[in-house]
Amino acid sequence: QVQLKESGPGLVQPSQTLSLTCTVSGFSLTSYNVHWVRQPTGKGLEWMGVIWTGGSTDYNSALKSRLSISRDTSKSQVFLKMNSLQTEDIATYYCARESRRLWVMDAWGQGASVTVSS
Amino acid sequence: DVVMTQTPVSLPVSLGGQASISCRSSQSLVHSNGNTYLHWYLQKPGQSPQLLIYRVSNRFSGVPDRFSGSGSGTDFTLKISRVEPEDLGDYYCLQSTHFPYTFGAGTKLELK
Repeated sequence: QVQLKESGPGLVQPSQTLSLTCTVSGFSLTSYNVHWVRQPTGKGLEWMGVIWTGGSTDYNSALKSRLSISRDTSKSQVFLKMNSLQTEDIATYYCARESRRLWVMDAWGQGASVTVSS
Repeated sequence: DVVMTQTPVSLPVSLGGQASISCRSSQSLVHSNGNTYLHWYLQKPGQSPQLLIYRVSNRFSGVPDRFSGSGSGTDFTLKISRVEPEDLGDYYCLQSTHFPYTFGAGTKLELK
């Protein structure tokens, strides 16, 4: 059964760094790409970045200077780190796998809600 | 970045009726490999997005045939026939032909 689950602190102080973990099961990180997508409350979806099966990454240019995605394949975990957090980063953060056969995000995590406040 | 213009913003429907959502891109979504990476998702209240249609017109596993996608180039449509209560929610188009991937702003399908 394919599962993705985001975890991390729900509250981050302004200017600090957000660290989220996406733990996957039912598939291998060396066979599927994993994307991060975020959604401010009541708003639309924003693609943040991807870690490819080979371990390389691509980022949304709007976030590239603050964003880092990495992984530990032995633990089936993908990590998101974003620094200099501000109130506009308040959102639900999703990880999603991308099928290399279909080339589409076909399974998503439940999402992790992040608030930025002192 | 490719801008995805999705209309309407809100779509009141009657159960058993039909709905049509449009998604237009600011540039062609035909990839250099010949494929068109335009997909449709439904996000039900309090849930994460779920894939309905991939690459314009292919229904994902388990998606009822009431859902159909069509279009080409820059102009795409999702149609839902015989709307059921579980179809209500926010619909998003996504293009993954060009980086960065971009979503439409969403269409809320709600009861009339």
